[in-house]
Amino acid sequence: EIVLTQSPGTLSLSPGERATLSCRASQSVSSSYLAWYQQKPGQAPRLLIYGASSRATGIPDRFSGSGSGTDFTLTISRLEPEDFAVYYCQQYGSSPPIFTFGPGTKVDIK
Amino acid sequence: QVQLQESGPGLVKPSQTLSLTCTVSGGSISSGSYYWSWIRQPAGKGLEWIGRIYTSGSTNYNPSLKSRVTISVDTSKNQFSLKLSSVTAADTAVYYCARLSPGITVGYYYYYYMDVWGKGTTVTVSS
Repeated sequence: EIVLTQSPGTLSLSPGERATLSCRASQSVSSSYLAWYQQKPGQAPRLLIYGASSRATGIPDRFSGSGSGTDFTLTISRLEPEDFAVYYCQQYGSSPPIFTFGPGTKVDIK
Repeated sequence: QVQLQESGPGLVKPSQTLSLTCTVSGGSISSGSYYWSWIRQPAGKGLEWIGRIYTSGSTNYNPSLKSRVTISVDTSKNQFSLKLSSVTAADTAVYYCARLSPGITVGYYYYYYMDVWGKGTTVTVSS
């Protein structure tokens, strides 16, 4: 089973700054199978990125995803007040089908 | 626009069976190549995938829960359901339903991602 590790656990930044979030897999993952979600307190997660780098419908272009193999990155180019939240990476394993989430990175206001 | 809504008891006694239903609105559960899934999140913790179902009835479950989980679909009601048996306090969580949309790789392999989520429902296991 592939294990996802996210770093840092908490990222303290100011609005307007750049956020770089890391997701590392214990084994190589097809980049198509990596997604990122945003979750705000009391809300369901929201899909941001799928296929490692494709933005979901309605997601602003300040969000971008990259990476391959075992190392993936979510970048928020300029933090807006509404971007302070917890971010989860998730990988899809096809044989057998299983979805695994990372532990999350909290982006909070410095 | 497809929307999902979870429903079911908010309190379940230990050793009993947790039963939840997800109602799909704004579209047919049978249209498209979607799977339908359950995910849970204990308070203050991360997300755990429980399982998924296709409208044909084909299912896949998280191995860690497989012995206790049953997911079913009722296309006539545009609903799918979760049953989790022999619950303990460790099953206390917010339970989400979600739609799994397909993508396809260059090599023609399908992959899935959770693009529509319900708002979640809190289930507490306690006597």
